[in-house]
Amino acid sequence: EDQVTQSPEALRLQEGESSSLNCSYTVSGLRGLFWYRQDPGKGPEFLFTLYSAGEEKEKERLKATLTKKESFLHITAPKPEDSATYLCAVQARGGSYIPTFGRGTSLIVHP
Amino acid sequence: DAMVIQNPRYQVTQFGKPVTLSCSQTLNHNVMYWYQQKSSQAPKLLFHYYDKDFNNEADTPDNFQSRRPNTSFCFLDIRSPGLGDAAMYLCATSIPGTNEKLFFGSGTQLSVL
Repeated sequence: EDQVTQSPEALRLQEGESSSLNCSYTVSGLRGLFWYRQDPGKGPEFLFTLYSAGEEKEKERLKATLTKKESFLHITAPKPEDSATYLCAVQARGGSYIPTFGRGTSLIVHP
Repeated sequence: DAMVIQNPRYQVTQFGKPVTLSCSQTLNHNVMYWYQQKSSQAPKLLFHYYDKDFNNEADTPDNFQSRRPNTSFCFLDIRSPGLGDAAMYLCATSIPGTNEKLFFGSGTQLSVL
């Protein structure tokens, strides 16, 4: 069974204080790993897809990386508007197209 | 510009009173999903449609039903809501075989009194 574990559950940062969120996964062959951002009371919004170990994607202050067992979402010099819950999901190769989601990391960035 | 639209944004119902949540999409995607999300938890897939084919998750209670009358619309019916059904309900769409990211609506927050 595919599993996704995200850590930490919650993270508080000061504005400008860089950090990383972790997504560990167990899947029988990775087809894709997805990062989403979810603001309170809203639906998740797609950020990145990573397909193979060593791949990296960047968007503004966010950078996602992938190894064979985990993915990191690095946040460089975060701003208060980066406060949100970040969800990770994996999709298995050869299996269902349905992704398995983690519980997310709730990020709060203080000004 | 909204591509996946859920109505209403907030729904209050009484214990046992049927409720219907709606979702529409302008993306013409094959797959439509319904997820249930409770506070600090992962979205939980209830069911999905691949075109007209309905796929129910094994642990989705019989209390939850769905309809997809056409490509654009999908409905979630909760026949007899219980207090434990209070949650955010998310609709999403995708096209399998592409990069397969999900496009989510803004969700419907359901309260059961």
